[in-house]
Amino acid sequence: GENVEQHPSTLSVQEGDSAVIKCTYSDSASNYFPWYKQELGKGPQLIIDIRSNVGEKKDQRIAVTLNKTAKHFSLHITETQPEDSAVYFCAASINRDDKIIFGKGTRLHILP
Amino acid sequence: EPEVTQTPSHQVTQMGQEVILRCVPISNHLYFYWYRQILGQKVEFLVSFYNNEISEKSEIFDDQFSVERPDGSNFTLKIRSTKLEDSAMYFCASIDGLSYEQYFGPGTRLTVT
Repeated sequence: GENVEQHPSTLSVQEGDSAVIKCTYSDSASNYFPWYKQELGKGPQLIIDIRSNVGEKKDQRIAVTLNKTAKHFSLHITETQPEDSAVYFCAASINRDDKIIFGKGTRLHILP
Repeated sequence: EPEVTQTPSHQVTQMGQEVILRCVPISNHLYFYWYRQILGQKVEFLVSFYNNEISEKSEIFDDQFSVERPDGSNFTLKIRSTKLEDSAMYFCASIDGLSYEQYFGPGTRLTVT
């Protein structure tokens, strides 16, 4: 089955700098890659996603890139702000109604 | 904005007891899921449910677990005889089947003592 690896597990970034989180997946059939933000005591919230027919997608300060050949995908957050501090999960799925396989998460700390 | 709701937010139970975790998915959604997250670990898939039957289940979802959609709105996860290792956050999710986005509820923290 699908396996999603994520790193780093913890990331500390100075406010205003950029943060990058990287993931790999194992199943070439996966074609949907969401990123979730989880704040303390809450469920995962989708922040951005990318489909396999697209190499890059951007939404304001957040961008995702996908390299299908290498089975890598990354999350980039620019101009980080204190409210970006949270745990971020990458994930992969095969079909739109399929289960989502999560990475282990990255705890992002934005330092003042 | 519509949202998935879950009750209770925290459930404490003794080992061997039965628990029922409740979810109200978004009203026009057709696919329903349960995931769990043991403290500090990744979110793990448990089961998916469509058209009043289980679509897929993970190896975690053994015969101690069951799911039900007893009416048009609730979606429940039952653990028949809880074990200490069932302590986790349990998340319900749903999708409409047209888009890819799974909407997650806020979770129920289950503590088995």
